[in-house]
Amino acid sequence: DTAVSQTPKYLVTQMGNDKSIKCEQNLGHDTMYWYKQDSKKFLKIMFSYNNKELIINETVPNRFSPKSPDKAHLNLHINSLELGDSAVYFCASSLRGPDGEAFFGQGTRLTVV
Amino acid sequence: AQSVTQLGSHVSVSEGALVLLRCNYSSSVPPYLFWYVQYPNQGLQLLLKYTSAATLVKGINGFEAEFKKSETSFHLTKPSAHMSDAAEYFCAVSDTGGFKTIFGAGTRLFVKA
Repeated sequence: DTAVSQTPKYLVTQMGNDKSIKCEQNLGHDTMYWYKQDSKKFLKIMFSYNNKELIINETVPNRFSPKSPDKAHLNLHINSLELGDSAVYFCASSLRGPDGEAFFGQGTRLTVV
Repeated sequence: AQSVTQLGSHVSVSEGALVLLRCNYSSSVPPYLFWYVQYPNQGLQLLLKYTSAATLVKGINGFEAEFKKSETSFHLTKPSAHMSDAAEYFCAVSDTGGFKTIFGAGTRLFVKA
């Protein structure tokens, strides 16, 4: 039973298209995140949500819009995709608090051509 | 602001040899520190975490890390490397608000037969 699941696993699309990535966690966590991992494996937080409320937006372009319909789901919609958006996107969740470790999904490899 | 620095983007050891992956942190308050491992084409999973209960922290798969405040370090060790340890390892620190984990640049561990 997967704790944090995200779909799709792979996404290949053309520049200018709009796409969405879905994430669900069954751990009962209040806090969910989106991270971007670039080709050099560097991980950077994009968004942090707590109980459906946006807490952190790390200067991500407006083309990226997260949506949390409930605290178990955090989806990411990307408009007008650009070549530079190609990366692996990870969803994660944790208990609230600085000592709560993050549980990660398997990642979505987005390739923009 | 909290940050972590991992020394060495690549580390290569022989099977059976000691594994030492270095991490130094910067924090104005007592930090919450983590080590995560990422196997190819997978999400990150927690190896261990430091939350001030004990300076020597034992994790999964035989890994441990020692928190040294005087050196601002949290190095990861394993007495005897196994081929299955080959992966990317990330040191991380939680921000004080608890809604963001800041990752180091990662260290790729190679294990030679």
